[in-house]
Amino acid sequence: QSALTQPASVSGSPGQSITISCTGTRGDVGTYYYVSWYQQHPGKAPKLIIYDVTNRPSGVSHRFSGSKSGNTASLTISGLQAEDDADYYCSSYTSSSTRVFGGGTKLTVL
Amino acid sequence: QVQLQESGPGLVKPSETLSLTCSVSGGSISGYYWTWIRQPAGKGLEWIGRVHSSGTTSYNPSPSLGGRVTMSVDMSNNQFSLSLTSVTAADTAVYYCARAISMRGGQDFWGQGTLVTVSS
Repeated sequence: QSALTQPASVSGSPGQSITISCTGTRGDVGTYYYVSWYQQHPGKAPKLIIYDVTNRPSGVSHRFSGSKSGNTASLTISGLQAEDDADYYCSSYTSSSTRVFGGGTKLTVL
Repeated sequence: QVQLQESGPGLVKPSETLSLTCSVSGGSISGYYWTWIRQPAGKGLEWIGRVHSSGTTSYNPSPSLGGRVTMSVDMSNNQFSLSLTSVTAADTAVYYCARAISMRGGQDFWGQGTLVTVSS
């Protein structure tokens, strides 16, 4: 199974919105509504921020939202804040009954 | 609040077996899927596999793990474990244990991670 494709980096200014893409195949993102997104700060464990494409766990800010179209899932962060500066990973269920991660995207809040 | 804690040797010699245990507190291991994920320094996350409380498993078929993985559960101690055989330097990473939302879903609760270094 190949890793999902994410941009290596994105950036935005406080208050702006950014979108991170996550491209897979028909064998994962394109077929299943089991895409998750994680936020990871340096030296910390990943934190689940979106599950099943669009759902936010309790306690996660409404500024985080997810969507999917075809083989590509997307994470949008609105009203960027300094604390959003982190690495973001997508993950999807696959037709092999496994999960696969994206390579990760470094978000820089300018 | 469910909490997970990894434990095991921080240093393993090449060709030997890496063994880690994840202790779960604040909730029962029963009825859930439990996963292991690793992250080499400065790199991305790699899903290693999952084990259900019933013992059913699914492992990453990638060449980097190549049939070397075994996972199991210990219901009496509310723990689950990872065994990775024939390790090399490429297996040096932070290893995380985590709970899966569902068989197909992502991970909602994570351990803090434990660094395992493979070196002689």
